[in-house]
Amino acid sequence: GENVEQHPSTLSVQEGDSAVIKCTYSDSASNYFPWYKQELGKGPQLIIDIRSNVGEKKDQRIAVTLNKTAKHFSLHITETQPEDSAVYFCAASNSGYALNFGKGTSLLVTP
Amino acid sequence: AAGVIQSPRHLIKEKRETATLKCYPIPRHDTVYWYQQGPGQDPQFLISFYEKMQSDKGSIPDRFSAQQFSDYHSELNMSSLELGDSALYFCASSPLGGMNTEAFFGQGTRLTVV
Repeated sequence: GENVEQHPSTLSVQEGDSAVIKCTYSDSASNYFPWYKQELGKGPQLIIDIRSNVGEKKDQRIAVTLNKTAKHFSLHITETQPEDSAVYFCAASNSGYALNFGKGTSLLVTP
Repeated sequence: AAGVIQSPRHLIKEKRETATLKCYPIPRHDTVYWYQQGPGQDPQFLISFYEKMQSDKGSIPDRFSAQQFSDYHSELNMSSLELGDSALYFCASSPLGGMNTEAFFGQGTRLTVV
């Protein structure tokens, strides 16, 4: 089955700096790669996703890149704000099937 | 916008009891997924349904069962509860069978088994 590895497990940045989280996946059939933000006691919130026919996608301060050959994808958050502090999960799936999540990255943005 | 609704939000049960968790997907979403998340863990896929038929199965214990009804809501039935079943249970929904489309999560049900 699919195995998704995520790094780092914790990340602390100063407000205004950029944050980068990286994930690798094992199943070459995976074609959909979402990123979720989860705040304490809440459900995962979809923040951005990318499909295998695209190499990069951007939405305001958030961007995701995908390298299908190397089987890795990354989340980039620019101009971080304290409210960006949360646990971020990457995931991979063969579209229509279950999401396989990484172990999560706890991001702390300090003022 | 309407979101995925889960009930109850919190549930406390004793060992060996049964529990039923309910999920109401976003309107016009035909696919429902159930995930279990232990403390400090990533969500683990349990089971999914598309158009009321089971579409995928993950690490769901035999003590658990689920179904999707004609109005697309879903229920997760858990029997012979064990202490290790204590976790957050999330439901997610997608339109179009989940093909090339996003899954939106509910706020979860926190199950505590004592």
